[in-house]
Amino acid sequence: GEDVEQSLFLSVREGDSSVINCTYTDSSSTYLYWYKQEPGAGLQLLTYIFSNMDMKQDQRLTVLLNKKDKHLSLRIADTQTGDSAIYFCAESIGRALTFGSGTRLQVQP
Amino acid sequence: GAGVSQSPSNKVTEKGKDVELRCDPISGHTALYWYRQRLGQGLEFLIYFQGNSAPDKSGLPSDRFSAERTGESVSTLTIQRTQQEDSAVYLCASSLAGQGSTIYFGEGSWLTVV
Repeated sequence: GEDVEQSLFLSVREGDSSVINCTYTDSSSTYLYWYKQEPGAGLQLLTYIFSNMDMKQDQRLTVLLNKKDKHLSLRIADTQTGDSAIYFCAESIGRALTFGSGTRLQVQP
Repeated sequence: GAGVSQSPSNKVTEKGKDVELRCDPISGHTALYWYRQRLGQGLEFLIYFQGNSAPDKSGLPSDRFSAERTGESVSTLTIQRTQQEDSAVYLCASSLAGQGSTIYFGEGSWLTVV
């Protein structure tokens, strides 16, 4: 199985909050990342968190890290239709990143 | 340049032909990565270069795939005798150092093998 797991799909209404979850297996991960991929585009770095932090907030984005449970989440406040995309979480262990398979976020007007 | 640059952005090739994909990392970035993303799937690690160290080739799917990097600059990913299952987006990324540094991706090279 994959080292990083995410649910495949999330649908929310415009204006609601979205929470995308991710679990990882390697406790030695140093950084954890969230990337966004819009249709036909490359990967865009959204935010990242160092493994000794519990939370990081950046405008509408809040990242929560539970190291004990190896659980990472991305909360998007006031979700907009422009937030519709695939969101990848990734862990950095020292070499390349290991990515989840991505969560497709669909925002309904 | 300001970001990771990849070329070509789109490539259609006939089955059995060789293709070369190019990546220009962000200036000063010592680490360079290649990933593959098939349609509807997640990212698949291919190869990693870090400075003058031997590259980590553990993700290359077959001996038809190879990659080179000139010093700490341009990298080329070569796929020989392309097959239809090679159709994917090939993403290059770079970072200042291999461990714990933020990794920035290019827009990708979309390869279609017909």
